[in-house]
Amino acid sequence: ETGVTQSPTHLIKTRGQQVTLRCSSQSGHNTVSWYQQALGQGPQFIFQYYREEENGRGNFPPRFSGLQFPNYSSELNVNALELDDSALYLCASSEAGGYTFGSGTRLTVV
Amino acid sequence: QKEVEQNSGPLSVPEGAIASLNCTYSDRGSQSFFWYRQYSGKSPELIMFIYSNGDKEDGRFTAQLNKASQYVSLLIRDSQPSDSATYLCAVPRSGNTPLVFGKGTRLSVIA
Repeated sequence: ETGVTQSPTHLIKTRGQQVTLRCSSQSGHNTVSWYQQALGQGPQFIFQYYREEENGRGNFPPRFSGLQFPNYSSELNVNALELDDSALYLCASSEAGGYTFGSGTRLTVV
Repeated sequence: QKEVEQNSGPLSVPEGAIASLNCTYSDRGSQSFFWYRQYSGKSPELIMFIYSNGDKEDGRFTAQLNKASQYVSLLIRDSQPSDSATYLCAVPRSGNTPLVFGKGTRLSVIA
C-alpha cells in the first residue's frame, strides 16, 4: 500500500470523449506528477503540480490538463480522446526527492 | 541520444545468480538516480535510489554509478523467480524533478 490512490482502476472511453482521472496523494506531499505509460514503454512525463500550480510540463498537447487541490488530491483531464491515448496513467507524489506511484488507471480508448 | 537508455531485454538468469541491469544517461550534471521495479500490470515500485556521491547496497540489491561513462547499474544477488519483472531506471531532468524514465529492462529469473 503506497499511500497514493488513483481512481478509477480501469476505464473504457470512446474516441472524442473527455475523461477525468483522479489521484489522492500522501498528506504533506506538495508535489504531484502525472505520467503516461504505453505498453512496453517507460512512463512519460505529462505535467507536475506544486502547491496547486503547474510547474513543469512534458511534450503533451494542451488537451491534457490538470488540477491540484489543497487537500493533496489532483486530477488529470484529457479532452478529445484519441486511440493513442490508451495507456496506463500514473500519478506520483513526492517529498524530498522520493517518488511514490499510485496503482494507476488503465484507460482504453475505442 | 535519448536521455535515459536501457536494454529492453529480456535478460534471463538462473535462480541464485547475479542479475546485472544497466542504464545510461545523457545529462552529465545528473545528481540522483532511481531504480523502479514494475510487475506486469502493476505500477512502478521504488527499490533503490543513489546520489552521485557513491554506490549503495540494500539487502540483495546494489546500485553502482560510473559517472565518467555516465551509466548506473543495478545488481541483484541471489536472484529469485519473484524478481522477474521490468526494471526501470529514472533520472531527474533538472534539479530533483521530474523523472525521465528509460524503457525498462525485462528480467526473467528461471527456477
